[in-house]
Amino acid sequence: EAGVAQSPRYKIIEKRQSVAFWCNPISGHATLYWYQQILGQGPKLLIQFQNNGVVDDSQLPKDRFSAERLKGVDSTLKIQPAKLEDSAVYLCASGTGSQSPLHFGNGTRLTVT
Amino acid sequence: TQLLEQSPQFLSIQEGENLTVYCNSSSVFSSLQWYRQEPGEGPVLLVTVVTGGEVKKLKRLTFQFGDARKDSSLHITAAQPGDTGLYLCAVHSGNTGKLIFGQGTTLQVKP
Repeated sequence: EAGVAQSPRYKIIEKRQSVAFWCNPISGHATLYWYQQILGQGPKLLIQFQNNGVVDDSQLPKDRFSAERLKGVDSTLKIQPAKLEDSAVYLCASGTGSQSPLHFGNGTRLTVT
Repeated sequence: TQLLEQSPQFLSIQEGENLTVYCNSSSVFSSLQWYRQEPGEGPVLLVTVVTGGEVKKLKRLTFQFGDARKDSSLHITAAQPGDTGLYLCAVHSGNTGKLIFGQGTTLQVKP
């Protein structure tokens, strides 16, 4: 089966600019997660979707981050405006249910200068 | 405070040595997962442990879930350079079942 696809692979922007990341999960997977990962640390959950509804966004900095999952398939994560501390890898993952193991994409590495 | 505490944070060893990494919590979990992440890639599931005291083996990797289902360990026998990576433990937490990760253990195995 095809894995989780993410794009772009790398992005460099200046602070205060906007950026968007895209994720295409494994076909049929109902749950979709976005994580932020600082180099050498564990992934930090930003938002969890079940189909096209938000299940948990308690850790999402909503003043600058937004995410949507239209039609319960693809998802986009946006940062506007970006700060230096947003430099990280943004990982998308999908699973079959709320307690299932996750399949991850290879992430988007964001550098904010 | 972290839900899952992993130790050590970093480990650098020679090829052929044995090692153990730990994942601890004060909470009880119905299951716990271990992932490995290589540079430039996303984490990949290694194993899920479900029963207290359970031991699972994956070639040279041995995973154990604590009797009280609050902690877990990963033991690697005769480590090889291909074992190099970030090892992460994770649990589903809360009513939503969101997957929460520990801080990870970075393992470097030198030839």
